[in-house]
Amino acid sequence: AQSVAQPEDQVNVAEGNPLTVKCTYSVSGNPYLFWYVQYPNRGLQFLLKYITGDNLVKGSYGFEAEFNKSQTSFHLKKPSALVSDSALYFCAVRDRGDSNYQLIWGAGTKLIIKP
Amino acid sequence: NAGVTQTPKFQVLKTGQSMTLQCAQDMNHEYMSWYRQDPGMGLRLIHYSVGAGITDQGEVPNGYNVSRSTTEDFPLRLLSAAPSQTSVYFCASSTPRTGGPGGYTFGSGTRLTVV
Repeated sequence: AQSVAQPEDQVNVAEGNPLTVKCTYSVSGNPYLFWYVQYPNRGLQFLLKYITGDNLVKGSYGFEAEFNKSQTSFHLKKPSALVSDSALYFCAVRDRGDSNYQLIWGAGTKLIIKP
Repeated sequence: NAGVTQTPKFQVLKTGQSMTLQCAQDMNHEYMSWYRQDPGMGLRLIHYSVGAGITDQGEVPNGYNVSRSTTEDFPLRLLSAAPSQTSVYFCASSTPRTGGPGGYTFGSGTRLTVV
């Protein structure tokens, strides 16, 4: 069965420190991978995606993610955290062979950046 | 370009009442979907559509109905509201791009309370 795991419900980071939000996945074929962010009382916003090519993907607000096929992971990273990065982050995956455009979602990780 | 528009933003229903949550997109996206978001449970897919006249059930379809008469609109109907349907509802749309998929575009959500 296809699935996405975000093993941490919450990640706490001090402002200015690097941050990592973890994501691992399981799909039957080759994946498309996505990260979304949700600020309080808002809808989800697209951050970045991996389609093909370079395993390091750069996205909005200084975030990047590294696709690791052997470890089936797509961890979200940022070199220096800001308090404004505090939000709920969702990882999602789609099987390239899925013609119904379905994304499989992780449960979300709450990121808290402390001043 | 308005993106995905959801109405209303907030709604309180009495048990047994029916209502329709509206979702409209102006991006000519083929794919539209409805999710509900509950604390600690991430996003759960209710119904989705891959084009006008085509709908299908997601993970939690019971108590909800959808139709897709046009590309732009994808309303979600609650047939007889129950307290278990208290949640935040998100509509999302998407389209594949050449060489890979586009991400989802989300509406700002409808916060529904059933008393």
